[in-house]
Amino acid sequence: QKEVEQDPGPLSVPEGAIVSLNCTYSNSAFQYFMWYRQYSRKGPELLMYTYSSGNKEDGRFTAQVDKSSKYISLFIRDSQPSDSATYLCAMILIQGAQKLVFGQGTRLTINP
Amino acid sequence: GAVVSQHPSRVICKSGTSVKIECRSLDFQATTMFWYRQFPKQSLMLMATSNEGSKATYEQGVEKDKFLINHASLTLSTLTVTSAHPEDSSFYICSVTPGSQETQYFGPGTRLLVL
Repeated sequence: QKEVEQDPGPLSVPEGAIVSLNCTYSNSAFQYFMWYRQYSRKGPELLMYTYSSGNKEDGRFTAQVDKSSKYISLFIRDSQPSDSATYLCAMILIQGAQKLVFGQGTRLTINP
Repeated sequence: GAVVSQHPSRVICKSGTSVKIECRSLDFQATTMFWYRQFPKQSLMLMATSNEGSKATYEQGVEKDKFLINHASLTLSTLTVTSAHPEDSSFYICSVTPGSQETQYFGPGTRLLVL
């Protein structure tokens, strides 16, 4: 079993839809959670960073963490074609060498 | 977010040659940098953790003599792929981590093609 599970998709939705991306994890020691967006042939770009259960909002993006269920989500409101990319969840243990553990990434396409 | 640069962005080389990739932290001094590789449609795989002034820590299965890492200053780490072969063709990405945070900021990546 992988430490972090993420549905690779692909996921295709119409422009303006609300997108929900999810990851589950098995190690309850993970304390810091991130979402990255990666466009084709580019490095990952940090979107959201949180360490507590609950919601964190930034513009059209909302990150949700449920530590009791070991489940994190990223919601994208009013999705745009420019949001088409691969979204990677990542998490880190509170102790150790700051190694990120990534999900497989979900390929998202927003259709105009 | 932090600004991280990589050079070159793309390199094509013949089999058997060595290739050096630079990673620079432009916003802050980074005592720790990370090197990843990514194959098409796959997630990032950590290769090694680069520590300024000391030897890099390699992940299991990564050959340290083939992937030489030098973190000579607080803003620069280099990855040298020695005697490159076609199977080394991949997307190599570095990242830096501010000391006050637990997250990482990534460079734009270097695409290596070995013929």
